[in-house]
Amino acid sequence: DSGVTQTPKHLITATGQRVTLRCSPRSGDLSVYWYQQSLDQGLQFLIHYYNGEERAKGNILERFSAQQFPDLHSELNLSSLELGDSALYFCASSEWTASTDTQYFGPGTRLTVL
Amino acid sequence: LAKTTQPISMDSYEGQEVNITCSHNNIATNDYITWYQQFPSQGPRFIIQGYKTKVTNEVASLFIPADRKSSTLSLPRVSLSDTAVYYCLVGVRGSNYQLIWGAGTKLIIKP
Repeated sequence: DSGVTQTPKHLITATGQRVTLRCSPRSGDLSVYWYQQSLDQGLQFLIHYYNGEERAKGNILERFSAQQFPDLHSELNLSSLELGDSALYFCASSEWTASTDTQYFGPGTRLTVL
Repeated sequence: LAKTTQPISMDSYEGQEVNITCSHNNIATNDYITWYQQFPSQGPRFIIQGYKTKVTNEVASLFIPADRKSSTLSLPRVSLSDTAVYYCLVGVRGSNYQLIWGAGTKLIIKP
């Protein structure tokens, strides 16, 4: 158990809909990262937040947005869903210091768009 | 901007040492290299991290040559349970902070 929690575990929805995925980081971690992993594909880095501020963006679509709240939990919002958005979405957290950045991954949310 | 390249797949046998190399040109002095292991339908798990030369922990070693254009993850005496996908990550520090992930190497260990 990494200490990172993600809800829900599974989500089934229809095209055109909007969903919100939630992540709670490990206690003490200020950084949260979001990743997308399609079936049998590699990890696609989406976005990184540190203490409420966006630090880096990866291949995140304009239909997707994220935020990190004062209590450090984070939400990833996916809108106008398409079939191709079906994937595992991972959240990770880390301390993100000047010398180290070990990411601890949650169990993921499996999104199915029908 | 740094880019990472790693082999798509590798096979080995139980008890052997396995070395997986990641190429990453244009890497700066402060950029760090990390390796993760992922089993199907699970989140990746940290293996090892380093900046230069050699780092060793209880499960693996990481070798980074002086030119830092590549890094090699070394798994000693692998077992069937080491069958997984291994990802190389370059963390680009500074004002152009970015995370550059490799596409992953699927390692299959045979009995």
